[in-house]
Amino acid sequence: ETGVTQSPTHLIKTRGQQVTLRCSSQSGHNTVSWYQQALGQGPQFIFQYYREEENGRGNFPPRFSGLQFPNYSSELNVNALELDDSALYLCASGISTDTQYFGPGTRLTVL
Amino acid sequence: GEDVEQSLFLSVREGDSSVINCTYTDSSSTYLYWYKQEPGAGLQLLTYIFSNMDMKQDQRLTVLLNKKDKHLSLRIADTQTGDSAIYFCAESKDTGRRALTFGSGTRLQVQP
Repeated sequence: ETGVTQSPTHLIKTRGQQVTLRCSSQSGHNTVSWYQQALGQGPQFIFQYYREEENGRGNFPPRFSGLQFPNYSSELNVNALELDDSALYLCASGISTDTQYFGPGTRLTVL
Repeated sequence: GEDVEQSLFLSVREGDSSVINCTYTDSSSTYLYWYKQEPGAGLQLLTYIFSNMDMKQDQRLTVLLNKKDKHLSLRIADTQTGDSAIYFCAESKDTGRRALTFGSGTRLQVQP
């Protein structure tokens, strides 16, 4: 167990809708990253938050946005969903170290 | 080309050693990781190595790093059926941004 939880486990949305995914980290984890893992692929870095500020972003459009809260929880928001957004979304947290602990993921299906 | 490359599939017999290989392109990579992913699950950190090390051993796991060739390997001794999973190699740079760049994963199948 990594102490990182994500909700919901599964989610089905339709194209054009908006979705919010949630992650709860261990106490003290001041860094959280979000990754998108398409079927059969490795995870792709979306962005990272450090002490509630965005601290780096991968090659994802602005309709992917996030928030990190003082209580060690975070959100990933995706607007205007596209079919290609169907994937497993993983959050990972740590304490400003290079070791990131992953949650079990949220499987998003866009129809 | 891809930043991190791995072979897609490896099949071994129970009790044998498994060796999973990975190559990366960025010489500024500072930390290299091995993660395990079982079906329907998230990623489990197995081990990691700093780029100034050549080898790291942790129980049944041995990581070898050839920095000159940008080659990383994970050896699993006495492979068990419970080791069947997808193994991901990942790298990050010491830039203050701890983004991980992953390979596409190697599916390890352990036959009884």
